[in-house]
Amino acid sequence: QKEVEQNSGPLSVPEGAIASLNCTYSDRVSQSFFWYRQYSGKSPELIMSIYSNGDKEDGRFTAQLNKASQYVSLLIRDSQPSDSATYLCAVTGFQKLVFGTGTRLLVSP
Amino acid sequence: SQTIHQWPATLVQPVGSPLSLECTVEGTSNPNLYWYRQAAGRGLQLLFYSIGIGQISSEVPQNLSASRPQDRQFILSSKKLLLSDSGFYLCAWSVFVRQGDYTFGSGTRLTVV
Repeated sequence: QKEVEQNSGPLSVPEGAIASLNCTYSDRVSQSFFWYRQYSGKSPELIMSIYSNGDKEDGRFTAQLNKASQYVSLLIRDSQPSDSATYLCAVTGFQKLVFGTGTRLLVSP
Repeated sequence: SQTIHQWPATLVQPVGSPLSLECTVEGTSNPNLYWYRQAAGRGLQLLFYSIGIGQISSEVPQNLSASRPQDRQFILSSKKLLLSDSGFYLCAWSVFVRQGDYTFGSGTRLTVV
């Protein structure tokens, strides 16, 4: 079983819609959870972090965490074509960050 | 403010040639440093991480090595490159080991031919 699992996509949504990205993890002791965005050919950049169960909102982005289900999600409201990228879920392990393989999001105008 | 520099941006090397990629961080002391590789269409694979000068932890056995000769300098090396070493190499730093707010360098795209 992979430590962090994501659907590779692509996830296609029309402009203005809500994009929902999901991630599951295997290590129950993980404490910190992150979403990175990676544009094609570029390096990842951190967009959201979440540490406790529930929702965390930042602008158009909402991260959701359910530790009992070992599940993390990212909602992007009012999706824009500029949101088209690969979204990487990351979970802290022992002295390192473990990344999922990412979900590719395509937002069509 | 802190910045991370990584070079070169692209590199084409023949099989069997040596490799040296350099990463430096400015504006902070004692950063935690990481080398990741991203093969085409695949996720980020942690290669090495360092929590201090001379302290290197290897995650994947391979023909790569890493060194940290100075506090804010992290070097990835190979004596003989393989075709399978091709990929996008990313250096990153963080303040705390157990937190995941990494800042990545701009990456080096390595093609071994």
